[in-house]
Amino acid sequence: DGGITQSPKYLFRKEGQNVTLSCEQNLNHDAMYWYRQDPGQGLRLIYYSQIVNDFQKGDIAEGYSVSREKKESFPLTVTSAQKNPTAFYLCASSNGQGDTDTQYFGPGTRLTVL
Amino acid sequence: SQQGEEDPQALSIQEGENATMNCSYKTSINNLQWYRQNSGRGLVHLILIRSNEREKHSGRLRVTLDTSKKSSSLLITASRAADTASYFCKTSGSRLTFGEGTQLTVNP
Repeated sequence: DGGITQSPKYLFRKEGQNVTLSCEQNLNHDAMYWYRQDPGQGLRLIYYSQIVNDFQKGDIAEGYSVSREKKESFPLTVTSAQKNPTAFYLCASSNGQGDTDTQYFGPGTRLTVL
Repeated sequence: SQQGEEDPQALSIQEGENATMNCSYKTSINNLQWYRQNSGRGLVHLILIRSNEREKHSGRLRVTLDTSKKSSSLLITASRAADTASYFCKTSGSRLTFGEGTQLTVNP
């Protein structure tokens, strides 16, 4: 099956710890994205990558880091510098073909910092 | 910002009724997309309408686009309880953002 997966579905961490969220896609998409969603809110872009070994900051990149060493994978690290990390994190991918590309989303990871 | 803004924020209807939600934006666009999100899940792409199109249909979905008013509407006809979800619009452009969405509740 082709798709985009995120793991784990639920993640609990203690305050001050770094945590890495996984995102993998087998759609052969060039572009990948990370969004944060707070309760009752829209999606805010954290980071995005349009090609391997390259990525750009989104609107709320502070306290987060990413890597894009492989086309299939775009892990997100939530660092201790992120002041309020508890949220729902969504990863997406697209074929990156200009403005008409459709984004395909993973099921999300709900991160709770205790 | 080219971010679309949806309204109303929340909409509650009875099964079988039609649901209409709107999206407004500020700058010129090449296309506009609508997505749906079930609670606690990822978003799913519903439909894309290009700037040179005025109306598009997909099953029970009807999307209109008025570029002169910089607005779009999504109509769901004969709604079902399973249509309960949040609906987001996304405009084309360099900023990859989504608005806060319209929370639709369809009561059985």
